[in-house]
Amino acid sequence: EADIYQTPRYLVIGTGKKITLECSQTMGHDKMYWYQQDPGMELHLIHYSYGVNSTEKGDLSSESTVSRIRTEHFPLTLESARPSHTSQYLCASSDPTGISYEQYFGPGTRLTVT
Amino acid sequence: EDKVVQSPLSLVVHEGDTVTLNCSYEVTNFRSLLWYKQEKKAPTFLFMLTSSGIEKKSGRLSSILDKKELFSILNITATQTGDSAVYLCAAKSGGGADGLTFGKGTHLIIQP
Repeated sequence: EADIYQTPRYLVIGTGKKITLECSQTMGHDKMYWYQQDPGMELHLIHYSYGVNSTEKGDLSSESTVSRIRTEHFPLTLESARPSHTSQYLCASSDPTGISYEQYFGPGTRLTVT
Repeated sequence: EDKVVQSPLSLVVHEGDTVTLNCSYEVTNFRSLLWYKQEKKAPTFLFMLTSSGIEKKSGRLSSILDKKELFSILNITATQTGDSAVYLCAAKSGGGADGLTFGKGTHLIIQP
């Protein structure tokens, strides 16, 4: 079973607060991803990383930022949360050395900004 | 722009029925197509398809890819209430952000 963790699982926070969503994996995967999913809608890639010190923006524009200082850790930060940021955030990782493109997903963080 | 379209968006059937879920895609430099099952939180991996016409099978689930017509189907036979979930189709392309382009999913409900 894949070992990828996200904390917190649920977060309700007021407008203007700074928040960091944590994601860590113990599989040694170089590639990691953040997706955003609104209820009933498709997943959208917002950030990805090929490895330490590599971060790129995804297909969907996002006001969040990410960092990759360690292979196992890929946190996402919102400097000033707004109600429009209310969504589910899913972290994933994959192993680029294999032929499989399978991405392993964490359990997600459901964020509500009031 | 890469696009994945799933149909139907929702489906209600009775236990024991067979269902077919559809996925069509338009992506740049297509590499593979993946199916996921999403119950309450994170998607769990079902199949990855890279070659046309080769059926992948896992228990009562099977899937096949048609790269000429740009679609895939996911079949579930002898459905059970535990099969109730959102089934996501995603296409991986060779360019751009290196992530997956997901469809909106098919919400499948199996009634006892």
